[in-house]
Amino acid sequence: QSALTQPASVSGSPGQSITISCTGTSSDVGGYNYVSWYQQHPGKAPKLMIYDVSNRPSGVSNRFSGSKSGNTASLTISGLQAEDEADYYCSSYTSSSNWVFGGGTKLTVL
Amino acid sequence: QVQLQESGPGLVKPSQTLSLTCTVSGGSISSGGYYWSWIRQHPGKGLEWIGYIYYSGSTYYNPSLKSLVTISVDTSKNQFSLKLSSVTAADTAVYYCARSSTVTTSFDYWGQGTLVTVSS
Repeated sequence: QSALTQPASVSGSPGQSITISCTGTSSDVGGYNYVSWYQQHPGKAPKLMIYDVSNRPSGVSNRFSGSKSGNTASLTISGLQAEDEADYYCSSYTSSSNWVFGGGTKLTVL
Repeated sequence: QVQLQESGPGLVKPSQTLSLTCTVSGGSISSGGYYWSWIRQHPGKGLEWIGYIYYSGSTYYNPSLKSLVTISVDTSKNQFSLKLSSVTAADTAVYYCARSSTVTTSFDYWGQGTLVTVSS
């Protein structure tokens, strides 16, 4: 299956909000509420930030939120902080009973 | 707190078999309720799900890798393993083991990752 489509990069200033999109198909993003988002700092393992489209794991800041419309999911980070600068990946469960990831988005905090 | 730790050779020769083990601590693979996956990340690239195993031994693999991948579990050691055969330079990547819930399907715990280089 093809990877989910994310913008290669986004940027924002401290305090601002940014949104990262993740586009798939009706066989993955659009077909299931099993979209998750991961934050990855350089040299580190990915960290779960959002699961089941819009749920935050315990310990994740409420500045992170997720949503979905049709075949596109979105991650919004409000009140940008320097520590948010990282790569972000979306993932979805698929109709083939496996997982597909997005290509990743590099977030730069200006 | 669940922890996962990958181990195995960092260098594998082309055409040989890549073998990695993930040791789980802070929780039992046998307790059920979770899939235990291998995921890789090529240098500077995105993530690719390789496959998972359930404590019962049932497996599911990425169709693009299915013919080359074997994942097994040793519940007595609380470990699961990956074998990837006939490797090429294209299999050079950081390999992660991770846990996902059978309910939410998200990967909530990850190992730190281990770089495997395929080179003669």
